[in-house]
Amino acid sequence: QKEVEQNSGPLSVPEGAIASLNCTYSDRGSQSFFWYRQYSGKSPELIMSIYSNGDKEDGRFTAQLNKASQYVSLLIRDSQPSDSATYLCAVNTGAQKLVFGQGTRLTINP
Amino acid sequence: KAGVTQTPRYLIKTRGQQVTLSCSPISGHRSVSWYQQTPGQGLQFLFEYFSETQRNKGNFPGRFSGRQFSNSRSEMNVSTLELGDSALYLCASSLGDKSYGYTFGSGTRLTVV
Repeated sequence: QKEVEQNSGPLSVPEGAIASLNCTYSDRGSQSFFWYRQYSGKSPELIMSIYSNGDKEDGRFTAQLNKASQYVSLLIRDSQPSDSATYLCAVNTGAQKLVFGQGTRLTINP
Repeated sequence: KAGVTQTPRYLIKTRGQQVTLSCSPISGHRSVSWYQQTPGQGLQFLFEYFSETQRNKGNFPGRFSGRQFSNSRSEMNVSTLELGDSALYLCASSLGDKSYGYTFGSGTRLTVV
């Protein structure tokens, strides 16, 4: 079982709709969770971090964490073509390393 | 505030050669991590340094090594290059506490021919 798993997609969403990205992790002791966005040919950019169960909102982005189910998600409201990118889920396992999922490729269709 | 700086941006090397990549973290960040990114494997953790000490190492052969200097700058070395080492090598810095996310540099694109 991979430490961090994501659906690789591609996920296609119409402009203005809500994009929902999901991630599961295997280490129950994990305490820090992050979402990165990576445009083609660019390096990953941190967009959200979450540490406690529940929701965390930042503009059009909402991160959701459920430690009991070992599940993290990212919602993007009012999706824009500029949101088209690969979204990487990352989990700090406590072993001084950030483990990344394979990423979900998101395409927003105008 | 300057970001994470990686040099060089691009490298072409021949099989069997060795290469050294450099990373300057954000000022005040004492942790530097290195990742290899390929289309098939995604982001793979290489190693993490904090205050000149390697705290963790990924599952890569001994040909991959690194170090960190007293000013937090880090270098990564790959010896006896293989075709499969062609990848984007990313350096990320952080404050070193697991609560903080990492900030990535632009990466070094290594091509082994």
